[in-house]
Formats: sequence, structure tokens, C-alpha cells
Amino acid sequence: DAGITQSPRHKVTETGTPVTLRCHQTENHRYMYWYRQDPGHGLRLIHYSYGVKDTDKGEVSDGYSVSRSKTEDFLLTLESATSSQTSVYFCAISEKAGELFFGEGSRLTVL
Amino acid sequence: GQQLNQSPQSMFIQEGEDVSMNCTSSSIFNTWLWYKQDPGEGPVLLIALYKAGELTSNGRLTAQFGITRKDSFLNISASIPSDVGIYFCAGQRREYGNKLVFGAGTILRVKS
Repeated sequence: DAGITQSPRHKVTETGTPVTLRCHQTENHRYMYWYRQDPGHGLRLIHYSYGVKDTDKGEVSDGYSVSRSKTEDFLLTLESATSSQTSVYFCAISEKAGELFFGEGSRLTVL
Repeated sequence: GQQLNQSPQSMFIQEGEDVSMNCTSSSIFNTWLWYKQDPGEGPVLLIALYKAGELTSNGRLTAQFGITRKDSFLNISASIPSDVGIYFCAGQRREYGNKLVFGAGTILRVKS
């Protein structure tokens, strides 16, 4: 199994509060991604990184920011959480195009 | 935006039956991939296809990269209870770098 750890695995928060999800890898893969999974929508890309300090937006990036200061860590931040951001968030890593290895997910509930 | 239309949305089949699902798009893709997600876990890569017309097997799973490059198919032979889960197709276009587009998924339930 690819070495990916997501934290926290579960979080309940209130509307308007900031939230940070962390993805940590031990595989030294270049690419890291944050997806959200919602019923009927599959997996949608929020942001991705193609190297330290190199990030770009995905298809649903509004309301989210990311940072990658080290190869092994990719942080996803919700500056002011909203109920529409209630979802399951998956981090993924890859070295080869398309072949993603996913973490176990972080379930976020915004009340 | 890019869209992958995956069908069927869900299937409820008898153990031992063969299963077919597919993914179509109006756009051409350079790579097609199939992932499976077990309950409570992240998706796992099953098969990757890199060439139009390519047919690849992984145990009881067989997937094909459509000749038009706009579709892909996944077949599961002789289904067993552990095949339960959500199957996602994903496509990659060279113009969009390493970003994948995912279908909405096919939920597979097996009657034992």
C-alpha cells in the first residue's frame, strides 16, 4: 500500500470556522491532489500540486486553499467553512500520469 | 467542462454473473483508468489503459480503451461477494496534464 496518511479522519465543525486537512506521504511522489466525494458527483478535483510550492486549481477550488512546503505534506484549508463543504475529502499521490494512490479519506461535517 | 458519463448508476446482480459497465465522453482522452472503492476506504486502481483499442485483463476484470478514444468498458466475470463497491472510470487528457476526470461511479451490489 502507498504510504498516505490523512488527518483528521473525522471532523465536525461550525459554519464560519477555519479547517485544515493534512495529507502526509512517505512515497516521495511528485504529484499530490485533493478531491472531494459527494453522492452523484464522483470525485472532483479541488487543488493539486506538481512540486514543492507549485500548486494549481482544480474544478471545484472556490473556498479552498492549499499549501505544499515539503514534498511529503499537502495541506487543504477551508478559510471559513460552509455547509456546502460537508463532504468526504480524499488526498491522492502519483508519480506516473493517471495512476493515483488514494488515502483513506477525511469526513468533514459543517453544521 | 469535461464530463464522463458512467453507466449504469447501480447494479444488483446474482453471484456468479458477469458484469459490464461503461464510460463515455464527448471528448477524446489519452488514458482511461478504472478504480474500485470499498466502503469506508479510498479508491484503488484496477486497470490503466494507454492506447486506443487496448484490451487489458487483471484477474476476472477486463477493460478496453475504445477505438474512438471517447469511451471505455469494464467487465467483471463470475462476480463474487467481495466485488461489492463503487467502480469509477477516470480519463486523462494530455492538454490537462496529470489531472484526471472521474465518472460518477457505478454501485455494484451482489446477491449471494
